[in-house]
Amino acid sequence: GQNIDQPTEMTATEGAIVQINCTYQTSGFNGLFWYQQHAGEAPTFLSYNVLDGLEEKGRFSSFLSRSKGYSYLLLKELQMKDSASYLCASMDSNYQLIWGAGTKLIIKP
Amino acid sequence: GAVVSQHPSWVICKSGTSVKIECRSLDFQATTMFWYRQFPKQSLMLMATSNEGSKATYEQGVEKDKFLINHASLTLSTLTVTSAHPEDSSFYICSANAPLWRLAGPQETQYFGPGTRLLVL
Repeated sequence: GQNIDQPTEMTATEGAIVQINCTYQTSGFNGLFWYQQHAGEAPTFLSYNVLDGLEEKGRFSSFLSRSKGYSYLLLKELQMKDSASYLCASMDSNYQLIWGAGTKLIIKP
Repeated sequence: GAVVSQHPSWVICKSGTSVKIECRSLDFQATTMFWYRQFPKQSLMLMATSNEGSKATYEQGVEKDKFLINHASLTLSTLTVTSAHPEDSSFYICSANAPLWRLAGPQETQYFGPGTRLLVL
C-alpha cells in the first residue's frame, strides 16, 4: 500500500536548527514535496526533490534518498513565524500527491 | 509560482441548503484539479480529482451525489455541497498541478488555493 510517515509534533528553540524526517512508500515515484501550513490557512509549496541529494533554498533545505524511501526538511536559524505544520507528500505514478499527516513544529523563544 | 484562487473564502449557511465553491487557476491552465477537506487539527483528505471535460474521480467514502464537482473549463472547477449539514462544516481546499520549471525540465507541482471555510448551522 501507500504510506507516508512523519513525526506528529516537534519542538525547537528560536535560532536553532531542526530536521523533520519523512519516510514514504508509494506506487511509483515522481518526486517528494514539502509544504508548509500555518493554522487556518492552505498549504504553501516549500520544496521538491526527485533526485538523491540535498536541495538548498535559503534557510530551508530538503534531502532525498530514493533507495531508502527517505526525506528530510532542514530548517535553519528558526524564527517564530516558522511555527506551522510541515507536510511531506510523495507524487505517485499517476502524478497524484500522497500526503503525510503533517508535523506540527512548535518554536519556543 | 502558479496562482490558484478560491471563492468564497468564508461561508455560513443553514442546514439543508446547497453551497457552491469555485476554484480558479489564474495564470495557467489546469486539466486536473483536486478537492481536499481538512477538519481541525487533522491532515488533508483528498475528496476527488476533477478532470476537465469529464466526470470527477471520487475517493472511497466520498458521496458523489452530495459533493458535486464540475470542471467545465481549463481554469475553473466548482464543488457544490448539496443539502449541507453541520457535519459538513470543514475547511475545503482546492489545488491544481502546474509545471515547476527546473534546470532538468518541468516537474508537475501542486499549488493550493487559499481554502474555503464552511460553517453549516
